[in-house]
Amino acid sequence: KQEVTQIPAALSVPEGENLVLNCSFTDSAIYNLQWFRQDPGKGLTSLLLIQSSQREQTSGRLNASLDKSSGRSTLYIAASQPGDSATYLCAVITNAGKSTFGDGTTLTVKP
Amino acid sequence: SAVISQKPSRDICQRGTSLTIQCQVDSQVTMMFWYRQQPGQSLTLIATANQGSEATYESGFVIDKFPISRPNLTFSTLTVSNMSPEDSSIYLCSTQLGVSEQYFGPGTRLTVT
Repeated sequence: KQEVTQIPAALSVPEGENLVLNCSFTDSAIYNLQWFRQDPGKGLTSLLLIQSSQREQTSGRLNASLDKSSGRSTLYIAASQPGDSATYLCAVITNAGKSTFGDGTTLTVKP
Repeated sequence: SAVISQKPSRDICQRGTSLTIQCQVDSQVTMMFWYRQQPGQSLTLIATANQGSEATYESGFVIDKFPISRPNLTFSTLTVSNMSPEDSSIYLCSTQLGVSEQYFGPGTRLTVT
């Protein structure tokens, strides 16, 4: 059974700092990995999708990497802003379309 | 991308009653998924709903408690039956496009009293 772990559970940083969020998974037979953002009481917003054949994806200040063999992904946020404060979730996706989510990292960026 | 809407956005229900949540996608999709997010926790997949076939339920979820309909390629409903306070959660529907990129609806926040 796939298990997804996200570390740290919570992170507080001053504005402008670069930071890394970690996601690990136990079964490397994944199809894709996707990072999401969730604001309190809201649904999920897709940030980045990494296909299993890819090693990284970039969008603006966000960069996500994937190492299937070691079962790890990282989400790098550059020059953090207070508006980045949210919970960040990673999900590993099988080729049947099923997703297993981590518990998330709650990020607070202080002005 | 896909735009997904859900109704209702929130509801407060009494124990023992049932609530049906609607999910509408702005394009035709093959698979739709229903997730539950209990307070302070991550998402758990309830079931996969494919048009024209019975929904496939994950371990711990049964059709009698969470009946699902999928009448066409853009719409699905999830019913939470005989509710108890433990069913208080956010219920989210999602779909996939392209190379399995997932899109989520805004969620339905259910409180059972």
